[in-house]
Amino acid sequence: ETGVTQTPRHLVMGMTNKKSLKCEQHLGHNAMYWYKQSAKKPLELMFVYSLEERVENNSVPSRFSPECPNSSHLFLHLHTLQPEDSALYLCASSQGDLLAGEETQYFGPGTRLLVL
Amino acid sequence: AQSVTQLGSHVSVSEGALVLLRCNYSSSVPPYLFWYVQYPNQGLQLLLKYTSAATLVKGINGFEAEFKKSETSFHLTKPSAHMSDAAEYFCAVSDRGSARQLTFGSGTQLTVLP
Repeated sequence: ETGVTQTPRHLVMGMTNKKSLKCEQHLGHNAMYWYKQSAKKPLELMFVYSLEERVENNSVPSRFSPECPNSSHLFLHLHTLQPEDSALYLCASSQGDLLAGEETQYFGPGTRLLVL
Repeated sequence: AQSVTQLGSHVSVSEGALVLLRCNYSSSVPPYLFWYVQYPNQGLQLLLKYTSAATLVKGINGFEAEFKKSETSFHLTKPSAHMSDAAEYFCAVSDRGSARQLTFGSGTQLTVLP
């Protein structure tokens, strides 16, 4: 138990559906992240929020829309996804200076997404 | 731009044998280096990290890694493998001042044979 929870753990959706992934951290951290983990590929950083402000958006398609209403919660809104978006989506949080780079990221268990 | 290469996507060792997982990095500035482990159906957990203090870093579960600047390497070792070490291991790098950009390697799946 890392102090980062994600719901749901599994999700199956059609390409025309709209769904949301939720992440909650109980660690008092000031930064939160979304990663995509696909089979046989390195983890891809999707979004970074620091103090509830998005600071990184790594060329992610607009069908993925993040929301960070407060420092403890992070959402990933999904709509009109493609089958190639099927993956494990991991949330993480950390605490420290924005530019430090040395802080540990704590990961949730992930949401396994299947797009049909 | 920083990058990480993990040699060997699959490594098998016998229980009690030495574990060696390789990681090489490229970075334009002295980096921070991390090893994470992922057990089935779980997220990633930090094993250890190098932040420019001692070059030999000790982590959890008996793992350690040595930063070798001349070889741009940060290999992970454990003297004696245990069945519970079977998992996927990821090396990652971030640059100082990189605004929290962690770059991960492709991962190494460790199998421990009885």
